[in-house]
Formats: sequence, C-alpha cells, structure tokens
Amino acid sequence: EPEVTQTPSHQVTQMGQEVILRCVPISNHLYFYWYRQILGQKVEFLVSFYNNEISEKSEIFDDQFSVERPDGSNFTLKIRSTKLEDSAMYFCASSAIGGNTEAFFGQGTRLTVV
Amino acid sequence: AQSVAQPEDQVNVAEGNPLTVKCTYSVSGNPYLFWYVQYPNRGLQFLLKYITGDNLVKGSYGFEAEFNKSQTSFHLKKPSALVSDSALYFCAVRDRGSTLGRLYFGRGTQLTVWP
Repeated sequence: EPEVTQTPSHQVTQMGQEVILRCVPISNHLYFYWYRQILGQKVEFLVSFYNNEISEKSEIFDDQFSVERPDGSNFTLKIRSTKLEDSAMYFCASSAIGGNTEAFFGQGTRLTVV
Repeated sequence: AQSVAQPEDQVNVAEGNPLTVKCTYSVSGNPYLFWYVQYPNRGLQFLLKYITGDNLVKGSYGFEAEFNKSQTSFHLKKPSALVSDSALYFCAVRDRGSTLGRLYFGRGTQLTVWP
C-alpha cells in the first residue's frame, strides 16, 4: 500500500538554526500539506500546496516557514530560524484531489528546539 | 470559523463492549467529516469519512460513524471493542466548498480498551 514517508523521524536543533523537514508524498497525489501538533494540543494546519505553489496557509505559517517541491517526488518544509515554540510533531500529508478525498499522513517528524 | 470538539479526552471501555467516541462540529455549510486514528509513533491513519447519503458510514477495522445534521455530530462507534483499538482518535472536518482540502481537527480522544 502506498504511503507518505517523512525524514527524519526526530530532529533536535538549536534555537535560531534552520531545519528542513522532508516528505515523499504518494506518487500520484496532487495536493500536499503540512500540519503540526504541539504536544498535548490539536493537529493544526500549516499550509497546502498544489500545482507548485502555495494554495492556502494558516496564520501560523509566517515568513520563517517555506515549502518547496524541488523535484517530482519530495516536498519539504523549511523553518529558517527556529524558536522554542516550534517544537512539535510535524506531519506531511497528501491527497489525490481536494474536496471529499481523504488525506494520507506520514508518520511525522518530531522537532525539538533547544 | 470552523471548529471541532471532542468533549472527552479519554474513553475507557472493556474489551467486547461497544464504544463511542464523540465529535461535534461548528462549520458554515455542510462539511465533509473524517475520523483518523493515531497509534504510538505512527502517523494519522484514515478510518472513515462522511460525504453525502446514508448517515451511517462504515470504515476500517469495524468502525462506523453516524452523522447527525441537527446535532452537528459525527460520533465514532464500534459494536465490540478490541484491546488493539487502543489509540488516539481524531475527528476532522473540511469545508465542502474547499477544493484545497484544509482539515480542521479536534483535540483527540485517547481510547483505552482493557482486557
């Protein structure tokens, strides 16, 4: 069964450093997303990406965040200057189309900013 | 604004008993509704969805959910719980008018099924 894969599974970084979280969505999917889950809180939407551009972003997705699909398979989330409050589980997801189709999620990257 | 409420942080049931995990939502229009499950150290796995039609939808692993428009609820149910059902369950909604697919999640409900 096809799945979304994320690397690394866990990343520890110092405050102010840049991190790149990587995702390989399901190959025939067209919509890509990043969500995050701060420990003990709900899963929050960050950004959606379609046709090589951002479709929608939340208020969380400020200028320190960026996304890219550098080739035909990878989808990355970059955090330019990490803050302590960026510590969270970051989930990548993809869906074949939007609307009524379900999104498939990766196993997540646990980001710890120290 | 769209919001999803899962009023119970924890649900505990004995194996073999029926289980219900509650979800209510507040959205404009008629949303698409989803349930996801998260096992330890795993990503979110899709369980089932309501799009239209029959209010009772069936999904993976014997789970089902009942859509109630008047109560704006979408409770997850299973007639006979298994210990292996123990996990974190998330209800999510998507605006029907949105083609972009943003999901709004509840806080999650930890289900524990004891032997």
